[in-house]
Amino acid sequence: EVQLQQSGPEVGRPGSSVKISCKASGYTFTDYVMNWVKQSPGQGLEWIGWIDPEYGSTDYAEKFKKKATLTADTSSNTAYIQLSSLTSEDTATYFCASGNWVDYWGQGVMVTVSS
Amino acid sequence: DVVLTQTPSTLSATIGQSVSISCRSSQSLLDSAGNTYLYWYLQRPGQSPQLLIYLVSNLGSGVPNRFSGSGSGTDFTLKISGVEAEDLGVYYCMQATHAPWTFGGGTKLELK
Repeated sequence: EVQLQQSGPEVGRPGSSVKISCKASGYTFTDYVMNWVKQSPGQGLEWIGWIDPEYGSTDYAEKFKKKATLTADTSSNTAYIQLSSLTSEDTATYFCASGNWVDYWGQGVMVTVSS
Repeated sequence: DVVLTQTPSTLSATIGQSVSISCRSSQSLLDSAGNTYLYWYLQRPGQSPQLLIYLVSNLGSGVPNRFSGSGSGTDFTLKISGVEAEDLGVYYCMQATHAPWTFGGGTKLELK
């Protein structure tokens, strides 16, 4: 069974950084790119970017290029997203999503930015 | 960036009713290889999005056949033939033909 298990909720102070993980199981981690998607409270879905775990190559939406850093560790089948210089605009749920048709999704991680 | 416009934003339906959701793109989603990377997802309350349709009209694994997708170029439709209670939630279209990938604004399906 394919699973994307994400880490737990995070609280970050304004100006700090947080790093969220997404552990993949049930498929070959390097077969598909890992996408990250943001959902602000009560809002729709925004694509942040993807990482190819095999080559480490990445692609980001322009608005997230200075906000998010995507990495992947093939030894542990885990993808990461680091969000930097946190502001209230970063308060949201972050999903990882993979698969040939972006058909595998993690459960989401709530990030709250609060002083 | 490609803008996907979904209509309606809210849809009220009774159980058993057939409904359709439109997704219109600001530019063609047909790529140079002849593929159209248009997807449909359902997000039930408090859950992650679930794939319904990929490549315009292909049913995702385990998705009931009351769901169907159609369209081409810039105009796409998701149809539910006989709404069931478990279909309630927010539907999103997504395109992955052009970077950055983009989502439609969502269509909330609720019970009338």
